[in-house]
Amino acid sequence: DTGVSQDPRHKITKRGQNVTFRCDPISEHNRLYWYRQTLGQGPEFLTYFQNEAQLEKSRLLSDRFSAERPKGSFSTLEIQRTEQGDSAMYLCASSFDKSTYNEQFFGPGTRLTVL
Amino acid sequence: KNEVEQSPQNLTAQEGEFITINCSYSVGISALHWLQQHPGGGIVSLFMLSSGKKKHGRLIATINIQEKHSSLHITASHPRDSAVYICAVRKGYGNKLVFGAGTILRVKS
Repeated sequence: DTGVSQDPRHKITKRGQNVTFRCDPISEHNRLYWYRQTLGQGPEFLTYFQNEAQLEKSRLLSDRFSAERPKGSFSTLEIQRTEQGDSAMYLCASSFDKSTYNEQFFGPGTRLTVL
Repeated sequence: KNEVEQSPQNLTAQEGEFITINCSYSVGISALHWLQQHPGGGIVSLFMLSSGKKKHGRLIATINIQEKHSSLHITASHPRDSAVYICAVRKGYGNKLVFGAGTILRVKS
């Protein structure tokens, strides 16, 4: 499968715990995006990487959130001291900046439930 | 006001009906996406367009740049078309997408 993959698909955690999600983009894609989607809403932008550089962060990304893409391939999104309001679907997408319209391809998402 | 507005929010149709979902946006864009999301969350890109019209099977997407409006049409709808359809725009030549809230479509047999 050469699409975007995310792991885990589902995560249930207790409030206050730390969680980490992983995204593996399409192999030749140099851009990687993280989005968050709450129930009944469209996704909202969190952050994006060009290769290993994190170029933009949304103000939605509080100090408890950190994202990395150390070698410009896979990325991790960590949430520290989770809160119930963090419960959402976390979506990853990737793109190749030399393509005509920089089309983004989405992964299946990680659904986080904070109890 | 959201930068991307979709209508209707919910739509129930009978199998075989012609369906239209609308998207209006208030910002300058370089591209507009129509996306499909099934229960379970995965998002599939249906169309990306910056002008005119695109067709793929029973799906047609149009965009009017001057009016800042796009429509997604489904001809001969089928229960397997039941999903959430999301409109997203790329603002200017930026890198992130701005999404509408989605339209929940249910096609009954």
